[in-house]
Amino acid sequence: NAGVMQNPRHLVRRRGQEARLRCSPMKGHSHVYWYRQLPEEGLKFMVYLQKENIIDESGMPKERFSAEFPKEGPSILRIQQVVRGDSAAYFCASSPNQGVPGQPQHFGDGTRLSIL
Amino acid sequence: AQKITQTQPGMFVQEKEAVTLDCTYDTSDPSYGLFWYKQPSSGEMIFLIYQGSYDQQNATEGRYSLNFQKARKSANLVISASQLGDSAMYFCAMRERGQNDYKLSFGAGTTVTVRA
Repeated sequence: NAGVMQNPRHLVRRRGQEARLRCSPMKGHSHVYWYRQLPEEGLKFMVYLQKENIIDESGMPKERFSAEFPKEGPSILRIQQVVRGDSAAYFCASSPNQGVPGQPQHFGDGTRLSIL
Repeated sequence: AQKITQTQPGMFVQEKEAVTLDCTYDTSDPSYGLFWYKQPSSGEMIFLIYQGSYDQQNATEGRYSLNFQKARKSANLVISASQLGDSAMYFCAMRERGQNDYKLSFGAGTTVTVRA
């Protein structure tokens, strides 16, 4: 039973390039969450998506960042025109539903984004 | 305001001994859940244990247990009989029932190093 799959595991980009991070949720999970972890810090919520819908993107910067979870295929977190401050670990989590007490979000291994 | 506070940046523990990791939280929501995650040096996030705000008993999961003191708003993690593989970063997180009961708020984490 595969867990949450994120790729790539490591991504290096130069300033101004685009970064695309992919996340395939666990089988049977239709709720996806993205978090960002800066060095020496805890994870910070970015966005919550269900299939074809963005439910809450309040934690995502208004510019350059976008997320989608299409009907078919993985969820994508896209960062355009990357800057040094975007260097971080980006984690995707999934759950089968939402609002169930005690139900944890299951995390992928993360994508470490480095900006040169 | 910080929702989750972990005051211990780093701790050392002798193998086979117990260690307690502190976590205090701040919420006005009567319904919430507290989660602990482990992040080894390889970077993945592993769910350990959950405590609901209405749970009457402290949660336990194998060698992990929660010392939940609701009035003091603390949910300390106790790891008993420490093993070398327990060396990792540990994060306390909270999810409030409210309107955003999918959003996990994380503390800054505590690094645990188990000594042989």
